Amino acid sequence: NAGVTQTPKFQVLKTGQSMTLQCAQDMNHNSMYWYRQDPGMGLRLIYYSASEGTTDKGEVPNGYNVSRLNKREFSLRLESAAPSQTSVYFCASSELVHEGTEAFFGQGTRLTVV
Amino acid sequence: GENVEQHPSTLSVQEGDSAVIKCTYSDSASNYFPWYKQELGKGPQLIIDIRSNVGEKKDQRIAVTLNKTAKHFSLHITETQPEDSAVYFCAASGTNAGKSTFGDGTTLTVKP
Repeated sequence: NAGVTQTPKFQVLKTGQSMTLQCAQDMNHNSMYWYRQDPGMGLRLIYYSASEGTTDKGEVPNGYNVSRLNKREFSLRLESAAPSQTSVYFCASSELVHEGTEAFFGQGTRLTVV
Repeated sequence: GENVEQHPSTLSVQEGDSAVIKCTYSDSASNYFPWYKQELGKGPQLIIDIRSNVGEKKDQRIAVTLNKTAKHFSLHITETQPEDSAVYFCAASGTNAGKSTFGDGTTLTVKP
């Protein structure tokens, strides 16, 4: 039972390079999320997908794009990486219920942009 | 949008003592309040949660209290152990299912 799997675990990019962070869940969850975590700032929502076929901006979407490829997979793309995007990125998933529910997180991707 | 404030940012206790972490939220429509524990190099993991129709919930050494009128909720850990050392996050979410706003985290250190 893998839960939420993120790839890669570590990545170093040069400014201006592009990359895609991959996320897959095997819990048949409807909702998926991308967060970034910076020191002392908790987790901030970048984009989310409430259900397959829909995506919406979160708190800090600038510089990112997402694709909900199918119910299992939700990818995050950086088109032109900037040093300000150095962070730890977490993917999460949850059931789609009206009153809120537990989110299950992946192990994170540590991204450094030089 | 929702705003969640968490205090303190760091907390150091002796093994066996209690630890309390407090959070306030701004959106009165929020109705689900989870607490996550994050160990070094790992993703956050749920340890306890509470819904708006409940004032208190316990699970062994961990308890959460909620005051909807004052818009604050707290995590209580009793008889702390070194393995409780981690970063703890509170969060709040409303009817936009699963979309939580997180506090900035509390680094708890339990000294043996």
